[in-house]
Amino acid sequence: GDSVTQMEGPVTLSEEAFLTINCTYTATGYPSLFWYVQYPGEGLQLLLKATKADDKGSNKGFEATYRKETTSFHLEKGSVQVSDSAVYFCALSVADTGRRALTFGSGTRLQVQP
Amino acid sequence: DTGVSQDPRHKITKRGQNVTFRCDPISEHNRLYWYRQTLGQGPEFLTYFQNEAQLEKSRLLSDRFSAERPKGSFSTLEIQRTEQGDSAMYLCASSGGPDYNEQFFGPGTRLTVL
Repeated sequence: GDSVTQMEGPVTLSEEAFLTINCTYTATGYPSLFWYVQYPGEGLQLLLKATKADDKGSNKGFEATYRKETTSFHLEKGSVQVSDSAVYFCALSVADTGRRALTFGSGTRLQVQP
Repeated sequence: DTGVSQDPRHKITKRGQNVTFRCDPISEHNRLYWYRQTLGQGPEFLTYFQNEAQLEKSRLLSDRFSAERPKGSFSTLEIQRTEQGDSAMYLCASSGGPDYNEQFFGPGTRLTVL
């Protein structure tokens, strides 16, 4: 079946540090890949996405590149802020198999200290 | 467009009672999803509707769970004879339009079974 593996947290960084959160996947078809973010007390929000190999999704300074050869979709940001503190979820969906559901990783908590 | 809304936001019930949650998707979205999220984990797919048709159900959706979307608009999720293991956040999401892969999530209903 489909699955997503994320690095465990929490990840604690100082403000302006470089961020990488690793995400790898297995999929039965050709997946679309997503990063969702959950800020404290709020619902899940789509951060960025990529639908085919070598696509780069980007938003709010975050980036992730769809790497089919390594089945990875690592999240990066060059300079984190305290306001980036949240839980980040990597997810995939495989529409070509008829499934519409998202398969999520277990989430990585990011704590950014001033 | 007010986004996906869910009601109630919190529900405390005693073991053995029945509970019902409501989800109102984004108005033009024809796809609606239910997920369950337990503490420290990513959301897990429960069921999916396209318009009023329930097209997919997860093995997590035991016979105590039932979901409906009678007119293809709002949806309800009912849990009968609740158990302590049902305590979780229940999330609703919707998608539609040209980018149907992008799911928009509601704030969730937190269920606590005593």
